[in-house]
Amino acid sequence: QKEVEQDPGPLSVPEGAIVSLNCTYSNSAFQYFMWYRQYSRKGPELLMYTYSSGNKEDGRFTAQVDKSSKYISLFIRDSQPSDSATYLCAMTLTGGGNKLTFGTGTQLKVEL
Amino acid sequence: DAGVTQSPTHLIKTRGQQVTLRCSPKSGHDTVSWYQQALGQGPQFIFQYYEEEERQRGNFPDRFSGHQFPNYSSELNVNALLLGDSALYLCASEDSTDTQYFGPGTRLTVL
Repeated sequence: QKEVEQDPGPLSVPEGAIVSLNCTYSNSAFQYFMWYRQYSRKGPELLMYTYSSGNKEDGRFTAQVDKSSKYISLFIRDSQPSDSATYLCAMTLTGGGNKLTFGTGTQLKVEL
Repeated sequence: DAGVTQSPTHLIKTRGQQVTLRCSPKSGHDTVSWYQQALGQGPQFIFQYYEEEERQRGNFPDRFSGHQFPNYSSELNVNALLLGDSALYLCASEDSTDTQYFGPGTRLTVL
């Protein structure tokens, strides 16, 4: 069993839809949670960084962490074709000097 | 301010050869990590360098080695290449808030 599970998709939605992306994890020692966006043949780009249970909002993006359920989510409001990419969840045991453990990534396509 | 840079962009090697990949971190970042991303998978941690020492290592064989220079740039070396080493190799540097920022990667193809 992988430490971090993520549905690989692909997920196809119409422009303007609300997108929900999710990851589950098995190691309760994970404390810091990130979402990265990766366009085809590019490096991952950090979108959101959280370290506590609850919600964090940044523009059209909301990250949600539920440590009791070992479940994290990323919501994208008013999705745009430019949001089409692979979304990777990642987590670490501590905030620094520690490796990132990634999910497999969910491929998202936002259609006109 | 330049972000994390990596070279070369793309590399083709044959089985058994050796390869060296290079990374320059963002200005002011002193910690560099390397990841391997196979097609359709998330990145897998290889190792991390801080103050020119390997601080942490993932589950990769000794064929994978690295180095960090006094200017914080880093190299990843892979010996005795296997077909399974074909992947996107990502370098990430870390800022004072412990956030990792990734470079564009080097795509390695082993024939």
